[in-house]
Amino acid sequence: SQTIHQWPATLVQPVGSPLSLECTVEGTSNPNLYWYRQAAGRGLQLLFYSVGIGQISSEVPQNLSASRPQDRQFILSSKKLLLSDSGFYLCAWSGDETGRNTIYFGEGSWLTVV
Amino acid sequence: GDSVTQMEGPVTLSEEAFLTINCTYTATGYPSLFWYVQYPGEGLQLLLKATKADDKGSNKGFEATYRKETTSFHLEKGSVQVSDSAVYFCALGGSARQLTFGSGTQLTVLP
Repeated sequence: SQTIHQWPATLVQPVGSPLSLECTVEGTSNPNLYWYRQAAGRGLQLLFYSVGIGQISSEVPQNLSASRPQDRQFILSSKKLLLSDSGFYLCAWSGDETGRNTIYFGEGSWLTVV
Repeated sequence: GDSVTQMEGPVTLSEEAFLTINCTYTATGYPSLFWYVQYPGEGLQLLLKATKADDKGSNKGFEATYRKETTSFHLEKGSVQVSDSAVYFCALGGSARQLTFGSGTQLTVLP
Protein backbone atom coordinates (compact mmCIF):
# COMPACT_ATOMS: atom_id res chain seq x y z
CA SER A 1 0.00 0.00 0.00
CA GLN A 2 1.00 3.59 -0.47
CA THR A 3 2.36 5.70 2.36
CA ILE A 4 3.45 9.28 2.66
CA HIS A 5 5.80 10.69 5.26
CA GLN A 6 6.99 14.19 5.95
CA TRP A 7 9.45 15.58 8.44
CA PRO A 8 10.26 17.18 10.71
CA ALA A 9 6.92 17.10 12.50
CA THR A 10 7.60 20.25 14.48
CA LEU A 11 10.18 22.99 14.23
CA VAL A 12 10.81 26.42 15.64
CA GLN A 13 13.02 28.64 13.52
CA PRO A 14 14.20 32.24 13.92
CA VAL A 15 13.31 34.90 11.39
CA GLY A 16 15.84 34.93 8.54
CA SER A 17 16.91 31.32 8.96
CA PRO A 18 16.59 28.71 6.18
CA LEU A 19 13.94 26.02 5.97
CA SER A 20 13.83 22.53 4.56
CA LEU A 21 10.80 20.26 4.85
CA GLU A 22 11.01 16.87 3.23
CA CYS A 23 8.31 14.53 1.99
CA THR A 24 8.54 11.05 0.53
CA VAL A 25 5.93 8.71 -0.92
CA GLU A 26 6.24 4.93 -1.00
CA GLY A 27 4.33 2.29 -2.89
CA THR A 28 3.56 4.24 -6.04
CA SER A 29 5.40 5.66 -9.01
CA ASN A 30 5.15 9.00 -10.78
CA PRO A 31 2.74 10.51 -8.26
CA ASN A 32 1.52 14.08 -8.39
CA LEU A 33 2.93 15.83 -5.33
CA TYR A 34 1.63 18.87 -3.49
CA TRP A 35 2.61 21.27 -0.71
CA TYR A 36 -0.22 22.99 1.15
CA ARG A 37 -0.10 25.49 4.00
CA GLN A 38 -2.72 25.90 6.66
CA ALA A 39 -2.44 29.05 8.74
CA ALA A 40 -3.93 28.91 12.23
CA GLY A 41 -7.73 28.73 12.12
CA ARG A 42 -7.85 29.01 8.34
CA GLY A 43 -8.32 26.83 5.30
CA LEU A 44 -5.84 25.17 3.00
CA GLN A 45 -3.67 27.10 0.60
CA LEU A 46 -1.97 25.24 -2.24
CA LEU A 47 1.65 26.36 -2.49
CA PHE A 48 3.23 24.07 -5.08
CA TYR A 49 2.45 21.00 -7.11
CA SER A 50 4.55 18.72 -9.25
CA VAL A 51 3.63 16.22 -11.94
CA GLY A 52 7.16 14.87 -12.40
CA ILE A 53 10.85 15.18 -11.54
CA GLY A 54 12.02 18.75 -11.87
CA GLN A 55 8.51 19.98 -12.79
CA ILE A 56 7.21 22.46 -10.22
CA SER A 57 4.22 24.76 -10.48
CA SER A 58 3.87 27.60 -8.02
CA GLU A 59 0.42 28.74 -7.02
CA VAL A 60 1.31 31.64 -4.78
CA PRO A 61 4.30 34.00 -5.11
CA GLN A 62 6.31 34.04 -1.89
CA ASN A 63 9.73 33.41 -0.44
CA LEU A 64 9.26 29.64 -0.46
CA SER A 65 10.43 27.25 -3.16
CA ALA A 66 9.95 23.57 -3.91
CA SER A 67 12.05 20.94 -5.58
CA ARG A 68 11.53 17.37 -6.72
CA PRO A 69 14.94 15.75 -7.04
CA GLN A 70 13.54 12.21 -7.23
CA ASP A 71 10.27 10.71 -8.39
CA ARG A 72 8.87 10.26 -4.88
CA GLN A 73 10.59 13.05 -3.01
CA PHE A 74 9.31 16.59 -2.62
CA ILE A 75 11.14 19.30 -0.68
CA LEU A 76 9.89 22.68 0.51
CA SER A 77 12.56 25.28 1.16
CA SER A 78 13.20 28.84 2.08
CA LYS A 79 16.45 30.79 2.22
CA LYS A 80 15.14 33.31 4.77
CA LEU A 81 12.01 32.70 6.80
CA LEU A 82 9.50 35.41 7.62
CA LEU A 83 7.16 35.54 10.60
CA SER A 84 4.27 35.10 8.18
CA ASP A 85 5.64 31.70 7.14
CA SER A 86 4.43 30.18 10.39
CA GLY A 87 1.78 27.54 9.90
CA PHE A 88 0.98 23.91 9.36
CA TYR A 89 2.52 22.51 6.17
CA LEU A 90 1.03 19.48 4.51
CA CYS A 91 2.54 17.34 1.80
CA ALA A 92 0.15 15.30 -0.32
CA TRP A 93 0.08 13.00 -3.33
CA SER A 94 -2.42 11.75 -5.88
CA GLY A 95 -2.41 9.13 -8.57
CA ASP A 96 -3.31 11.21 -11.60
CA GLU A 97 -3.32 14.75 -12.83
CA THR A 98 -6.98 15.16 -13.57
CA GLY A 99 -7.88 16.33 -10.09
CA ARG A 100 -10.71 13.82 -9.87
CA ASN A 101 -8.80 11.30 -7.84
CA THR A 102 -8.30 11.32 -4.11
CA ILE A 103 -5.43 13.32 -2.66
CA TYR A 104 -3.68 11.68 0.31
CA PHE A 105 -2.03 13.81 2.94
CA GLY A 106 0.99 13.38 5.15
CA GLU A 107 0.98 13.95 8.88
CA GLY A 108 1.90 17.61 8.59
CA SER A 109 4.74 19.79 9.86
CA TRP A 110 4.21 22.58 12.37
CA LEU A 111 6.48 25.55 11.68
CA THR A 112 6.75 28.41 14.14
CA VAL A 113 8.93 31.33 13.07
CA VAL A 114 10.06 33.44 16.03
CA GLY B 1 -13.46 28.56 -12.12
CA ASP B 2 -14.23 25.81 -9.66
CA SER B 3 -15.27 26.80 -6.15
CA VAL B 4 -16.61 25.26 -2.96
CA THR B 5 -18.77 27.03 -0.40
CA GLN B 6 -18.92 25.38 2.97
CA MET B 7 -21.04 26.03 6.02
CA GLU B 8 -19.33 28.44 8.38
CA GLY B 9 -18.47 27.16 11.79
CA PRO B 10 -17.87 26.52 14.49
CA VAL B 11 -20.58 23.95 15.10
CA THR B 12 -21.17 22.70 18.64
CA LEU B 13 -23.43 19.71 19.28
CA SER B 14 -24.26 17.41 22.15
CA GLU B 15 -23.36 13.75 21.88
CA GLU B 16 -25.92 11.72 19.87
CA ALA B 17 -27.23 14.82 18.07
CA PHE B 18 -27.82 14.87 14.31
CA LEU B 19 -25.16 16.57 12.22
CA THR B 20 -25.42 18.38 8.92
CA ILE B 21 -22.59 20.38 7.37
CA ASN B 22 -23.63 22.07 4.15
CA CYS B 23 -21.45 22.17 1.07
CA THR B 24 -22.28 23.58 -2.35
CA TYR B 25 -20.06 23.84 -5.36
CA THR B 26 -19.55 25.52 -8.71
CA ALA B 27 -17.79 23.60 -11.44
CA THR B 28 -17.80 22.90 -15.13
CA GLY B 29 -18.25 19.35 -16.27
CA TYR B 30 -18.65 16.47 -13.84
CA PRO B 31 -16.40 16.84 -10.84
CA SER B 32 -15.67 14.36 -8.07
CA LEU B 33 -16.66 15.47 -4.57
CA PHE B 34 -14.89 14.70 -1.31
CA TRP B 35 -15.12 15.18 2.43
CA TYR B 36 -11.90 15.24 4.40
CA VAL B 37 -11.53 15.28 8.18
CA GLN B 38 -8.69 16.80 10.20
CA TYR B 39 -8.31 15.77 13.83
CA PRO B 40 -6.39 18.15 16.11
CA GLY B 41 -2.70 18.35 15.25
CA GLU B 42 -2.95 15.91 12.35
CA GLY B 43 -3.06 15.93 8.57
CA LEU B 44 -6.22 15.54 6.53
CA GLN B 45 -7.80 12.14 6.05
CA LEU B 46 -10.25 11.20 3.35
CA LEU B 47 -13.64 10.60 4.98
CA LEU B 48 -15.75 9.80 1.92
CA LYS B 49 -16.15 10.63 -1.73
CA ALA B 50 -18.56 10.44 -4.67
CA THR B 51 -17.61 10.50 -8.31
CA LYS B 52 -20.91 10.99 -10.12
CA ALA B 53 -24.40 12.38 -9.65
CA ASP B 54 -26.64 10.55 -7.16
CA ASP B 55 -23.70 8.60 -5.72
CA LYS B 56 -23.72 8.35 -1.94
CA GLY B 57 -20.41 8.24 -0.13
CA SER B 58 -20.38 6.78 3.36
CA ASN B 59 -17.86 5.99 6.06
CA LYS B 60 -17.85 5.76 9.88
CA GLY B 61 -21.56 6.62 10.02
CA PHE B 62 -21.12 9.74 7.88
CA GLU B 63 -22.93 10.09 4.57
CA ALA B 64 -23.08 12.57 1.71
CA THR B 65 -25.02 12.40 -1.54
CA TYR B 66 -23.81 14.02 -4.77
CA ARG B 67 -26.76 16.21 -5.86
CA LYS B 68 -26.16 17.65 -9.28
CA GLU B 69 -29.51 19.45 -9.45
CA THR B 70 -28.71 21.47 -6.33
CA THR B 71 -24.89 21.35 -6.77
CA SER B 72 -24.56 20.13 -3.21
CA PHE B 73 -22.72 17.50 -1.20
CA HIS B 74 -23.94 17.93 2.39
CA LEU B 75 -22.32 15.85 5.11
CA GLU B 76 -24.64 14.11 7.59
CA LYS B 77 -24.39 11.82 10.57
CA GLY B 78 -27.30 10.55 12.59
CA SER B 79 -25.64 10.44 15.99
CA VAL B 80 -22.35 12.21 16.62
CA GLN B 81 -19.78 11.19 19.22
CA VAL B 82 -17.20 13.18 21.13
CA SER B 83 -14.54 11.50 18.98
CA ASP B 84 -16.04 13.15 15.88
CA SER B 85 -14.78 16.53 17.04
CA ALA B 86 -12.56 17.75 14.21
CA VAL B 87 -12.43 20.12 11.25
CA TYR B 88 -14.30 18.94 8.16
CA PHE B 89 -13.37 20.04 4.64
CA CYS B 90 -15.49 19.70 1.54
CA ALA B 91 -13.47 19.47 -1.69
CA LEU B 92 -14.02 19.27 -5.42
CA GLY B 93 -11.89 17.56 -8.03
CA GLY B 94 -12.62 18.89 -11.46
CA SER B 95 -10.77 20.29 -14.42
CA ALA B 96 -7.82 21.63 -12.43
CA ARG B 97 -4.85 19.46 -11.48
CA GLN B 98 -5.59 19.72 -7.80
CA LEU B 99 -8.57 19.68 -5.46
CA THR B 100 -10.45 22.85 -4.61
CA PHE B 101 -11.15 22.95 -0.86
CA GLY B 102 -13.79 24.70 1.16
CA SER B 103 -12.73 26.78 4.14
CA GLY B 104 -13.40 24.03 6.68
CA THR B 105 -15.98 23.65 9.46
CA GLN B 106 -14.91 23.12 13.05
CA LEU B 107 -17.15 20.60 14.85
CA THR B 108 -17.11 20.22 18.62
CA VAL B 109 -19.18 17.48 20.23
CA LEU B 110 -19.85 17.82 23.94
CA PRO B 111 -20.45 14.82 26.23
